[in-house]
Amino acid sequence: NAGVTQTPKFQVLKTGQSMTLQCAQDMNHNSMYWYRQDPGMGLRLIYYSASEGTTDKGEVPNGYNVSRLNKREFSLRLESAAPSQTSVYFCASSEAGVAAEAFFGQGTRLTVV
Amino acid sequence: GESVGLHLPTLSVQEGDNSIINCAYSNSASDYFIWYKQESGKGPQFIIDIRSNMDKRQGQRVTVLLNKTVKHLSLQIAATQPGDSAVYFCAENRRTNAGKSTFGDGTTLTVKP
Repeated sequence: NAGVTQTPKFQVLKTGQSMTLQCAQDMNHNSMYWYRQDPGMGLRLIYYSASEGTTDKGEVPNGYNVSRLNKREFSLRLESAAPSQTSVYFCASSEAGVAAEAFFGQGTRLTVV
Repeated sequence: GESVGLHLPTLSVQEGDNSIINCAYSNSASDYFIWYKQESGKGPQFIIDIRSNMDKRQGQRVTVLLNKTVKHLSLQIAATQPGDSAVYFCAENRRTNAGKSTFGDGTTLTVKP
């Protein structure tokens, strides 16, 4: 099983450029998430989607937009990249409910210069 | 504010010894706790979980202990192996937070041969 697949794995952007990070899951999960991870820190939630057609802000949403394209896919868009958005981005999915573990993708390492 | 944190950012143990990784949380309304393991260059992976109405849960070579009185949980790894070297995160979920996880900062476990 592929689980959660993210593309691309690496990306370098210039300040002000835009890009979309893609995420797809094949586990039929309702909930999907985008996190960022900075050096020596835990994961901080950017946006999440509890079900197809719904999205909500997480802890650090500024500078990002998301689209829940269908049940499988959840994309993260940076409209105008800034150096502060240099980070590793993880997409995750889970079943609905509080007692649900999250399944993570391999991550996208983004550098904004 | 609410937080989930780990006591020590790094832990070094000898191969074959037992490891104990600690985590403190601040919200008494937490319903569910999860430990994740993140190997270098990969996304976090589920290790073990525990509901807030339990105080101990055992898996294969791992045990999680929950002390709600002092808002503390620990992950114990028996007979630590080189493959256990990774960053370990605790996370907590709450029904009032739509089940989204709040992650601690992580403890880096290094196993010396």
